[in-house]
Parts: sequence; structure tokens; C-alpha cells
Amino acid sequence: GESVGLHLPTLSVQEGDNSIINCAYSNSASDYFIWYKQESGKGPQFIIDIRSNMDKRQGQRVTVLLNKTVKHLSLQIAATQPGDSAVYFCAENKAGNQFYFGTGTSLTVIP
Amino acid sequence: DVKVTQSSRYLVKRTGEKVFLECVQDMDHENMFWYRQDPGLGLRLIYFSYDVKMKEKGDIPEGYSVSREKKERFSLILESASTNQTSMYLCASSLPAYEQYFGPGTRLTVT
Repeated sequence: GESVGLHLPTLSVQEGDNSIINCAYSNSASDYFIWYKQESGKGPQFIIDIRSNMDKRQGQRVTVLLNKTVKHLSLQIAATQPGDSAVYFCAENKAGNQFYFGTGTSLTVIP
Repeated sequence: DVKVTQSSRYLVKRTGEKVFLECVQDMDHENMFWYRQDPGLGLRLIYFSYDVKMKEKGDIPEGYSVSREKKERFSLILESASTNQTSMYLCASSLPAYEQYFGPGTRLTVT
């Protein structure tokens, strides 16, 4: 199977600071990437996606960066809030129906 | 809003029982998926379906089967539950090559 990994399993940030969560992917043919947020006891929730013809995409307080040269994906959360505390994981897809998911990074926001 | 619902949030079954997990989506999505989520292993694909009566094995299909008789409904079946099938089960749906929307999950315990 594919290998989608995260550099850090846990991340703690002060409320109001920016958060950066990283993800490495192994398949250079992957062309679609998604970041999900999963709160305790809930299913994963879509945050933002990016296709391989872009290197940056912005949403509300979130930015995803894609570096195809080093096969790296990052999620930046601006002005992190307590409600952002959750597990975040990335998923990759290569022109098909199947996604491959990373194991996740647990983000804790310190008030 | 896309809604994916799962029949149970929590389920406790005995070893050897036949278990049915139901998933319904209301957005007319072609694709539906079943994953299991275990600590440290992330989401692993069990089966997916890209059309009514069609199914494809994922990475860990052993011990499971699926049924998709109607577009909106995708069922996961454990023919004879075993303790190593204790897990969180997540259903998702999507349009082809677009983000997946997840249900809230079913936490299954097999004793």
C-alpha cells in the first residue's frame, strides 16, 4: 500500500499562535491531497484539499502547501484556537477512487 | 450539507456473531467506503463501492463482506465476529476523485 506519514505525532501550541502540521507522501503519482480534522468521538471532517497543479491553497484560517519536489504537504492554521484541538491527518489519491491516509498528528491548543 | 449516517454509535457483540453495520448517505454519491481505525494505524480501507452492486477490496478485506443494493446504502458485514475486529468503523462517501465525507463512526467491541 501507499505510505503517508507525519513528521510529528503530537503538537502543542499556545492559543493565538500559528500551527504547522506536516505530512510526507511516498507516491509521486499522487495528484490530489486532503487534510482532515478528527475530534474525539467523531468522524473525520474535511478541512481543505489541493490538487497537484497547485502549490498553495487557502481557506478560512487554514493554508495547505504542497511541495511535489520533496513530496511534502503541510497544513498551516492561523491564530490557533482551543476548538482546533484535534487529530489532523492527510490523505492522498492518485487518479482513482482510493485514498491513503496518514496516522495523524494530535494538536493540543494551550489556553 | 452532506450527511453520512451510521446505524449505531456503539455496538457490543460476542465472538462468532454475525454483525451488520449500515451506512446511508444523502448526496447521491457514487462512491462509498468502509474503513477501520485503530490507534497508531490510521484509517485502513476494508472495501469500497463505486456503483450499486459493485465492490472492490481494500487493503484489509479478510473477515468482512459488503453489500450495496441501493446507491445511498452501503453495508459492512462481519460473518463471524472475532475479538481482533474490535475497532472503530468509519463509513464515507464521495463523488469520484473528490473529497470523502465521513459518518460519525461505529465503535464495535467483540467479546
